[in-house]
Amino acid sequence: DAKTTQPTSMDCAEGRAANLPCNHSTISGNEYVYWYRQIHSQGPQYIIHGLKNNETNEMASLIITEDRKSSTLILPHATLRDTAVYYCIVTDSWGKLQFGAGTQVVVTP
Amino acid sequence: AAGVIQSPRHLIKEKRETATLKCYPIPRHDTVYWYQQGPGQDPQFLISFYEKMQSDKGSIPDRFSAQQFSDYHSELNMSSLELGDSALYFCASSSDRDQPQHFGDGTRLSIL
Repeated sequence: DAKTTQPTSMDCAEGRAANLPCNHSTISGNEYVYWYRQIHSQGPQYIIHGLKNNETNEMASLIITEDRKSSTLILPHATLRDTAVYYCIVTDSWGKLQFGAGTQVVVTP
Repeated sequence: AAGVIQSPRHLIKEKRETATLKCYPIPRHDTVYWYQQGPGQDPQFLISFYEKMQSDKGSIPDRFSAQQFSDYHSELNMSSLELGDSALYFCASSSDRDQPQHFGDGTRLSIL
């Protein structure tokens, strides 16, 4: 299974864009990149996912490099409620999520 | 919109007892996943079901078993409980294996 590498932590000022990088250099052609976040022991929350193309929804944008070896999650206007651990996950064909260490994002006023 | 329902929210047991955790997926979701999150750790995949059949298995102890019923709800049965089983247990459901998973609020299991 493909693995991901993310920064351990990141600070972001409220109202600014947060750009969260993720490396997944061993990703296979049919594997998706998913982003989830977990706010203090709540159930993980789905954010966005993509295969090859960039994606955008009401929460975030996902930029995937052409070689698919890395991606960036963009939170366009971070709020204090976006403070959470963000997980970049590459899923296998069975769909299970293999959570790595994630990035602790702290949004400050 | 309806979400994944887990019960109970909190459960306290003693060592060597048994516990049953329940998960009710989002309507029309036929795929259910179970995850365990120990204190200070990241969620770990335990087991999944698709159309009432076990579809994948992770680091689930032999003392644990699970099943998905005809109404698609799932139960995680845990026996001979150990102190190390104290954790948050999350259930997630999806409409298919390549669709996003939606998580419940979890069951916090404490073993005394």
